[in-house]
Amino acid sequence: GEDVEQSLFLSVREGDSSVINCTYTDSSSTYLYWYKQEPGAGLQLLTYIFSNMDMKQDQRLTVLLNKKDKHLSLRIADTQTGDSAIYFCAERGSGNTGKLIFGQGTTLQVKP
Amino acid sequence: DAGVIQSPRHEVTEMGQEVTLRCKPISGHNSLFWYRQTMMRGLELLIYFNNNVPIDDSGMPEDRFSAKMPNASFSTLKIQPSEPRDSAVYFCASSSGGRGPPYEQYFGPGTRLTVT
Repeated sequence: GEDVEQSLFLSVREGDSSVINCTYTDSSSTYLYWYKQEPGAGLQLLTYIFSNMDMKQDQRLTVLLNKKDKHLSLRIADTQTGDSAIYFCAERGSGNTGKLIFGQGTTLQVKP
Repeated sequence: DAGVIQSPRHEVTEMGQEVTLRCKPISGHNSLFWYRQTMMRGLELLIYFNNNVPIDDSGMPEDRFSAKMPNASFSTLKIQPSEPRDSAVYFCASSSGGRGPPYEQYFGPGTRLTVT
């Protein structure tokens, strides 16, 4: 079945790089996503990667995809206190309804 | 566009009362999702609709929960009777479904429900 796993917590110092990891089970997933949830708010799409790509870079964000190991990572360079949030990994579900399978979320704590 | 609109933003009710949460998806989106988020269980998909039709309600906890989508611009999630363990943040999200990448979901701000 479809399942997405993430570690629950990551703590880094301001200015360091953060790497959040995720594993998924559905090898036919076409799109994989990173969502960010700030305190008291809904989830917001941060970035996504199409399954035929290995890497996608967007300013401070780098997404790496290892299809063989079904492993997705999000690297945030020069992490700032404003990056403190919960980060959710998600894969596109089967069918054509827009369903996404979300991981449990990784809480990123950035210490000054 | 105003984004996904949810009401109320906060709801405090007593055990046994009926609670109705409301959602207005983004205009033109044809898929709508209801999620529940708690510290213990994380983010759970309760039910989702495609073209106003419920596709999968396997995440609905029990018969006390029901959801409707009478038209493309409105959905409700009802809990009757409510219990303290229903306390959570309930999110509604909408998507354009299969109409083109990246098929992202847009989330509303959530309704924080407290049942005492």
